[in-house]
Amino acid sequence: QKEVEQDPGPLSVPEGAIVSLNCTYSNSAFQYFMWYRQYSRKGPELLMYTYSSGNKEDGRFTAQVDKSSKYISLFIRDSQPSDSATYLCAMSSNLNTGNQFYFGTGTSLTVIP
Amino acid sequence: NAGVTQTPKFQVLKTGQSMTLQCAQDMNHNSMYWYRQDPGMGLRLIYYSASEGTTDKGEVPNGYNVSRLNKREFSLRLESAAPSQTSVYFCASKQTSGNTIYFGEGSWLTVV
Repeated sequence: QKEVEQDPGPLSVPEGAIVSLNCTYSNSAFQYFMWYRQYSRKGPELLMYTYSSGNKEDGRFTAQVDKSSKYISLFIRDSQPSDSATYLCAMSSNLNTGNQFYFGTGTSLTVIP
Repeated sequence: NAGVTQTPKFQVLKTGQSMTLQCAQDMNHNSMYWYRQDPGMGLRLIYYSASEGTTDKGEVPNGYNVSRLNKREFSLRLESAAPSQTSVYFCASKQTSGNTIYFGEGSWLTVV
């Protein structure tokens, strides 16, 4: 079983829709949760960071962590064509240890104008 | 801000050839990484360096070697390229206790 599972999609939505992206994980020691956005032919860049359980909001983006269910989500409100990208979840139990970041495979999102 | 810079961007190799991917960061980060990204497999760690002078194997180190030349630079070498090493390679860096990994733009490598 992989440490982190993510539905690869692809996901296609009309402009203005609410998008829900999800990851599940198996390691209960994970306490740092991140979402990266990767545009085509580019490197991933950090979008959201959450420590432990709860919600975090940043503009149109909301990250949720449910540690009891080992489930994290990223919600995008009022989606825009510029949100079209691949979204990768990532998680870690220890930020000090370089090999302890685990990435999902990514979900490809297309927002249609 | 340059961030993480990696070269070359694109490369085609023949099986058995060798090459080195170069990476440099200007953010004074201690930790540096090399990942490969393949369809359906996500990002997989090849090697990492927690600080200047140290390197450690990641999830998929076979067929690769690395050198942490100084705090800024971390190179990845393929000694005898194989078609299975066709991939997109990302160099990245991070502050030791930071939560953000900063990635380069990627290097597209094809081995024929």
